Amino acid sequence: AQRVTQPEKLLSVFKGAPVELKCNYSYSGSPELFWYVQYSRQRLQLLLRHISRESIKGFTADLNKGETSFHLKKPFAQEEDSAMYYCALKGYNFNKFYFGSGTKLNVKP
Amino acid sequence: GAGVSQSPSNKVTEKGKDVELRCDPISGHTALYWYRQSLGQGLEFLIYFQGNSAPDKSGLPSDRFSAERTGGSVSTLTIQRTQQEDSAVYLCASIPGGAGAAGELFFGEGSRLTVL
Repeated sequence: AQRVTQPEKLLSVFKGAPVELKCNYSYSGSPELFWYVQYSRQRLQLLLRHISRESIKGFTADLNKGETSFHLKKPFAQEEDSAMYYCALKGYNFNKFYFGSGTKLNVKP
Repeated sequence: GAGVSQSPSNKVTEKGKDVELRCDPISGHTALYWYRQSLGQGLEFLIYFQGNSAPDKSGLPSDRFSAERTGGSVSTLTIQRTQQEDSAVYLCASIPGGAGAAGELFFGEGSRLTVL
């Protein structure tokens, strides 16, 4: 079964501290994984995708097939990073995107 | 328009009433999704439209839910005989070229449904 798990509902860190939002997935084959972000009063939007191997707003995510993980990391959190983060997996038939339950990141001043 | 447009943004209804939620995708986007966002539950897939193909309705939670997409553009999600557990934010997303393409979903701002 295809599934995305985000074990933390809420993550609070202080400004300047490193942050890691965890994402684990269940999938057979080569997955396509994404991180989406929803800032307060804004619509959900793509943050980054693993195939691009990009760093967006200082965030990176590495696909670890051995651990079936796609954790989102940033070395120095900023207050403007406070938002809801969703990990997503594009499924077998390419029709469905499976989302995790989301992690709310709160960066304290 | 510049982005995916959804209406109404907020809807309060009484249990047992029918509601219609509308989604206007980005012009030229051939694929359209409906998701339900409940507190602590993440995004739940409801239905997927791709061009003129038969929709993937596998995520609809019950036969009270239905959706259509007219002319390959605007979509309407209908919930009949609403129940309190239907209260959620209903999100629409579109994607250019179908889900086999680049993979970025463009979301609307959502329709918040409250069933009293």
